[in-house]
Amino acid sequence: GAVVSQHPSRVICKSGTSVKIECRSLDFQATTMFWYRQFPKQSLMLMATSNEGSKATYEQGVEKDKFLINHASLTLSTLTVTSAHPEDSSFYICSATAYAVNQPQHFGDGTRLSIL
Amino acid sequence: GDSVTQMEGPVTLSEEAFLTINCTYTATGYPSLFWYVQYPGEGLQLLLKATKADDKGSNKGFEATYRKETTSFHLEKGSVQVSDSAVYFCALTENTGNQFYFGTGTSLTVIP
Repeated sequence: GAVVSQHPSRVICKSGTSVKIECRSLDFQATTMFWYRQFPKQSLMLMATSNEGSKATYEQGVEKDKFLINHASLTLSTLTVTSAHPEDSSFYICSATAYAVNQPQHFGDGTRLSIL
Repeated sequence: GDSVTQMEGPVTLSEEAFLTINCTYTATGYPSLFWYVQYPGEGLQLLLKATKADDKGSNKGFEATYRKETTSFHLEKGSVQVSDSAVYFCALTENTGNQFYFGTGTSLTVIP
């Protein structure tokens, strides 16, 4: 089945650091990738939608200068949390889908980000 | 707009009990429906899907039937195991920009 690899799985860093998270579709071309944030015991909150070769579309309330998204190829999207602060600590999950009718989203295993 | 309403948890069952997690949806067209499962500390895994009315999705003993007349997609399993303990998410897409709509998730704990 479709595989999405997300890296790193866990990051612990100091406040003010920028952190890059990678999301790769390993065996299919992902025309669209999604970035979600999940708080403990809560559902997924969509942060942004990215299509290959174009600017990401951010959900209301998500700072685009804070959460930089790049989708440079059909198999790779990156999320960079710039100048991270403790309130950015969360579980970030990416997903990818191919351009076809009724295709499910395929999820990475998530990245646990802890800012000290 | 589109939305998914999911049974609130947490749900605690004994091993071999029957499971039902309710999911109803609102959509403007003809959505595809999904159930995802999330184990602790992991991302979401697709459990099953149905793409049109009366379709039944099934996997690992779980089943869900796409009911257009009741706009529902309830998840069922006849005999749960401890290893089924996880959070279950119902979701839909109408393929408009591939946007997905997720329910709030239902936490299931199965005790021996």
